[in-house]
Amino acid sequence: EPEVTQTPSHQVTQMGQEVILRCVPISNHLYFYWYRQILGQKVEFLVSFYNNEISEKSEIFDDQFSVERPDGSNFTLKIRSTKLEDSAMYFCASSVDRGYYNEQFFGPGTRLTVL
Amino acid sequence: AQSVTQPDIHITVSEGASLELRCNYSYGATPYLFWYVQSPGQGLQLLLKYFSGDTLVQGIKGFEAEFKRSQSSFNLRKPSVHWSDAAEYFCAVGGSNNNDMRFGAGTRLTVKP
Repeated sequence: EPEVTQTPSHQVTQMGQEVILRCVPISNHLYFYWYRQILGQKVEFLVSFYNNEISEKSEIFDDQFSVERPDGSNFTLKIRSTKLEDSAMYFCASSVDRGYYNEQFFGPGTRLTVL
Repeated sequence: AQSVTQPDIHITVSEGASLELRCNYSYGATPYLFWYVQSPGQGLQLLLKYFSGDTLVQGIKGFEAEFKRSQSSFNLRKPSVHWSDAAEYFCAVGGSNNNDMRFGAGTRLTVKP
């Protein structure tokens, strides 16, 4: 069964460093998403992406964040200058199309630790 | 904006016992409601969803949920819990015109032998 994959499973970085989190969505899916979950808190929507541009983004997704689909398979989330409060689990998801009728399939997550 | 509250952070039930996980939502219009499960080291898996129609929704793994508009609730139930149901459960609500799902904080389920 096709699944969303994410690498790495755990990333440790120093405050101020740039990180890139990678996701491979399901191959025939057109919409891609990033969510994050700070330890013990809610899963929060960050951004959705379609047709090589951001479709929607939350107030969390500020100028420090960017997303990209650099090739036909990868979908990346970049944090330019990490802060301590960026430590969280980051989930990638994909769906065939937009709208809630289309199930979002989630990856296993990347745990980001900022020291 | 829509929001979700899961009042129970952690629930422990015995194997074979019934289960109900609570979820309350806030949204001005008819909500899109979801329950996801997350097993350790796994991504979020959709258990069931409600968009409209029958307020009792059947999902995978023997789960069901009932939408009660008067109570703004969408509680998840299972008549007999199995040890493999131990996981984190998330309720989520979506608005009608965007992909911005809002999740609850999750309820961790422990199953006793």
